[in-house]
Amino acid sequence: QSVLTQPPSVSGAPGQRVTISCTGSSSNIGAGHDVHWYQQLPGTAPKLLIHVNSNRPSGVPDRFSGSKSGTSASLAITGLQAEDEADYYCQSYDSSLSGHVLFGGGTKLTVL
Amino acid sequence: EVQLVESGGGLIKPGGSLRVSCAASGFTFSNAWMTWVRQAPGKGLQWVGRIKSKSDGGTTDYAAPVKGRFTISRDDSKNTLYLQMNSLKTEDTAVYYCTTLKPSYFFDYWGQGTLVTVSS
Repeated sequence: QSVLTQPPSVSGAPGQRVTISCTGSSSNIGAGHDVHWYQQLPGTAPKLLIHVNSNRPSGVPDRFSGSKSGTSASLAITGLQAEDEADYYCQSYDSSLSGHVLFGGGTKLTVL
Repeated sequence: EVQLVESGGGLIKPGGSLRVSCAASGFTFSNAWMTWVRQAPGKGLQWVGRIKSKSDGGTTDYAAPVKGRFTISRDDSKNTLYLQMNSLKTEDTAVYYCTTLKPSYFFDYWGQGTLVTVSS
């Protein structure tokens, strides 16, 4: 089964840096397919945070950054703020799946 | 400003059918590839399916759990996307989000979602 694996939870104090990993396989991230990240604040719809591995849409603070290497990708958040507390999802394309779209299981970020 | 507004969710019995809609504005809907993504209560995101623009063939594709039961369609004259759900199962209970889909296969705009509850 094709999956993108994320840690269920991460935490950090205000001002700190945290990273969220997204591990895939040779049929998705490892095949060179792009990785995208979404932020879902409590009780709201997901919002695009990073697209095509490392690009921020207009309005997303530069505290958020993305990277990709091999079969994994990472989302880094620097200068952590209370408003960053949310669920974060990675997403990619998988050539072996019906429909080809694959989401990670999501990571809950808690700001201590 | 891009707006996607879903409607039509509700409570439906297992085996039943329901159609949800997504009204789009603020962009050229006819040129857009559109998708549905769902989220079961307390769970993660799951892609449901997508429809290409008519100029790109208007074809549809679906995730395995819904293939053969769900149908995505569009009415470009009304700037509206539809999701017809048949033979509903309890595991189809979720908030259904309408999204736009970019060529790199990411979802740049999301609606607020509509809740579909399948229960007897």
